[in-house]
Formats: sequence, structure tokens, C-alpha cells
Amino acid sequence: QSALTQPASVSGSPGQSITISCTGTSSDVGGYNYVSWYQQHPGKAPKLMIYDVTDRPSGVSDRFSGSKSGNTASLTISGLQAEDEADYYCSSYTSSSTLYVFGTGTKVTVL
Amino acid sequence: QVQLQQWGAGLLKPSETLSLTCAVYGGSFSGYYWTWVRQPPGKGLEWIGEINHSGSTNSNPSLKSRVIISVDTSKNHFSLKLISVTAADTAVYYCARVPRNNGNNWFDPWGQGTLVTVSS
Repeated sequence: QSALTQPASVSGSPGQSITISCTGTSSDVGGYNYVSWYQQHPGKAPKLMIYDVTDRPSGVSDRFSGSKSGNTASLTISGLQAEDEADYYCSSYTSSSTLYVFGTGTKVTVL
Repeated sequence: QVQLQQWGAGLLKPSETLSLTCAVYGGSFSGYYWTWVRQPPGKGLEWIGEINHSGSTNSNPSLKSRVIISVDTSKNHFSLKLISVTAADTAVYYCARVPRNNGNNWFDPWGQGTLVTVSS
């Protein structure tokens, strides 16, 4: 089971919007609405930001939103802030025996 | 508010067995899957495996022959053993909860992580 494909880096200025893509296959991203997104600051554990493609856990800013089209899921961060600078990982349930696959990770830089 | 706290040896020699434990505080232990994820230094996340309160397990085929996941419901603990480690197993290991019994497939919350280094 290969990792989901994400861009290595995305950057934006404060206040701008950025979008991170996460591309898989029909066995994972395209086959289930079980895509989740995680934010990870250096030296910290990942934090759940989006689950079930579009849903936000309580306490997560509404500047974070998720979507999916075919085999590609996306995370959009609106009104970019300095505190959003972190690594972001997508994850999906998969029909393979691996059960869960993560993305390659994207480093978000706030210029 | 559920919290996960993990511990275990941080420095191993090649061929030794990695052993980590994760304790669950402040929430129900049954009704969830409890999972292990690792992250090599500077790299991405890899799912290792999971267990539920009944002891039913699933693990990543790439590690399956070396992974043992167990549960102690009396203490609300679950544990990971990885046999015969090599330098390639050097990583930060995380425990996390998955509410898969309810048809949900996300990881939340996470433990604080344990850096395990394999070096001779």
C-alpha cells in the first residue's frame, strides 16, 4: 500500500487561502468518505483537524475546511495565520489489508 | 476529556524487542480501537496496528510478523511489542484512539509520542 501523495510544501501570506491536495486511489480516498487531516507542529503529536472529508472536531477553527473529488481530497486553510505554519498529513481508510494509509505530508509556510 | 499517556524504553540495540505501553485516562476503553503509529525522523506517518478491548487485532502487513499488540482492560492499557528491531525501526511511536466501532475512521486523541532509537 503506497502512501497518499501530497505536495511537499505550500506557502502563503497572512490572510491568504491555501489548499493542500491528497491523491490516492479508488481503494482509499476515492472509495470511502473516511479522509482525515492532521496538523503537526515540530516535536508535537499530530492533531486532528478534519474527519470524514469535511467535518471539523469541536474546537478547530472554521478557517479549516475539507473536500473531495474523485481520488483527490483537499484541505483549505482560509485567512492564513502564523500559527498555521506546521506539517499537515492526510489519512484514509483503505480496503487493503493495511487498513489505514497516510499522506506524504505537506509543510505549510506562512511568508 | 480522554488523554493517552505512553511510555517505554527509548534506546535499543539491533535484534532487541521494542516495548511500549499506552494508558487511557478519562474515558471509556471499550467501544474503540486503540492504535499505534510511527514516524521516522524527518519522515511521514506509518500505521502499525490496532487492538480493541476484546483483543481483536489488525496490523500492517509490512510489520505483521514482528508486531504484537496486547490489551489489559483492568488497567485501561494497551501495549506494542516489535520484535528484532533494526535501525530502520528508529522512529517516534505514537498511540492513538480510533472510534471504528461506530464506523468512524480517524485518529484522536494521540499520545505524546516516544522516540525509540535503535543503535549498536
